[in-house]
Amino acid sequence: DIRLSQSPSSLSASVGDRVTITCQASQDISNYLNWYQQKPGKAPKLLIYDVSYLETGVSSKFSGSGSGTDFSLTISNLQPEDVATYYCQQYDNVPTFTFGPGTKVDLK
Amino acid sequence: QLVQSGAEVKKPGESLKISCQGSGYIFRSYWLSWVRQKPGKGLEWVGVVYPDDSNIIYSPSFQGQVTISADKSFSTAYLQWTSLKTSDIATYYCATSVSRGAFDLWGQGTPLIVSS
Repeated sequence: DIRLSQSPSSLSASVGDRVTITCQASQDISNYLNWYQQKPGKAPKLLIYDVSYLETGVSSKFSGSGSGTDFSLTISNLQPEDVATYYCQQYDNVPTFTFGPGTKVDLK
Repeated sequence: QLVQSGAEVKKPGESLKISCQGSGYIFRSYWLSWVRQKPGKGLEWVGVVYPDDSNIIYSPSFQGQVTISADKSFSTAYLQWTSLKTSDIATYYCATSVSRGAFDLWGQGTPLIVSS
């Protein structure tokens, strides 16, 4: 089974900061990597699919990059509404999926 | 959209079937997944069903613990337990990939409490 790790597990940043979350896969998953945002009490929301494609309606402050086993999500100009937990997800073996453990982002 | 059945409060050992009804897309033609989230914890992929032929794949972690099914005539998928445990306490989401290789459509979640 493919496993995903994320770092950091949590971070605190200031309004306006640029933050980066990384996701590492236990084996090569090509570009089959997605990112979700989840706010408390809500269903997750798709932000980025296939490593770097911005989901329709999602702010361009979110960007993704990477390939193979190492990926990252960057949030520019952090705002209070970006406080959430962020999950990566792989789907190298469709239609099965795996989620990363999540990264909790809050404000200093 | 995906609309899930409401919150449940059950006792250990009881059985349960929760549902997820799709609309606005061709329900039978897209794999539909179930995702578990325990209180304060991360997302776990439970398994997936293809409604058109009821092909089902379980995460190894959930094989034998739950049953996934679908009824394409009602555009509804189900997640079922025969004997609930307190360790089943969680919110369960259904999700599907209509236009991406990602979950671009989610249900609102079904909270499950298991308590004697």
